[in-house]
Amino acid sequence: QLQLQESGPGLVKPSETLSLTCSVSGGSINSSIHYWGWIRQPPGKGLEWIGSIYYSGSSYYNVSLKSRVSTSVDTSKNQFSLKMTSVTAADTAVYYCARLLLYSGGLSFDYWGQGTLVTVSS
Amino acid sequence: SSELTQDPAVSVALGQTVRITCQGDSLRTYYASWYQQKPGQAPVSVIYGDNNRPSGIPDRFSASSSGNTASLTITGAQAEDEADYYCNSRDSSGNHVVFGGGTKLTVL
Repeated sequence: QLQLQESGPGLVKPSETLSLTCSVSGGSINSSIHYWGWIRQPPGKGLEWIGSIYYSGSSYYNVSLKSRVSTSVDTSKNQFSLKMTSVTAADTAVYYCARLLLYSGGLSFDYWGQGTLVTVSS
Repeated sequence: SSELTQDPAVSVALGQTVRITCQGDSLRTYYASWYQQKPGQAPVSVIYGDNNRPSGIPDRFSASSSGNTASLTITGAQAEDEADYYCNSRDSSGNHVVFGGGTKLTVL
């Protein structure tokens, strides 16, 4: 059974960089049919896609966050990571990592991490 | 603003059938996937593609699509189905992911 686990600081100061890592177990990140994604959910609000990355490093980002977000993959550790710069209180959210299945008719996040709350505050 | 639109809240009597809808231009081209999220938990995929249910999802969950509207139907809603439901799909460009704003389902 595939499992994903987010890790990283739970508190980040305004204007600093948020860094999270997702560790994948029970399967390989070197999958030809999957991307790996980040989704966030501010308290009491809906889900927002942040970005997705392929094991080769090819990535796509939410246009509204693209200028501040980057992702990377470490196949040797079976991990992928998220960096978000210049954070503000509006970036306070539960951050999820998930596996993204892409197919010609659409896409689906089929496995999710449990999520990690990141609070932006001084 | 989201490119997929959902009703904020829907209610259903226990054992009855409820339909949750998701509207967006990209749904004319792509299927919607559906997720169930209970308080304090991560979302769980309940439907993907052309009405496919992941392992362990009850067959009372089904999906359909017409034009720019995708629908999730729960036939014989149970108390444990009370949750937030989100749709998602590719955007109109096909390269990005979009989520609907979510629908809070109350089982009466």
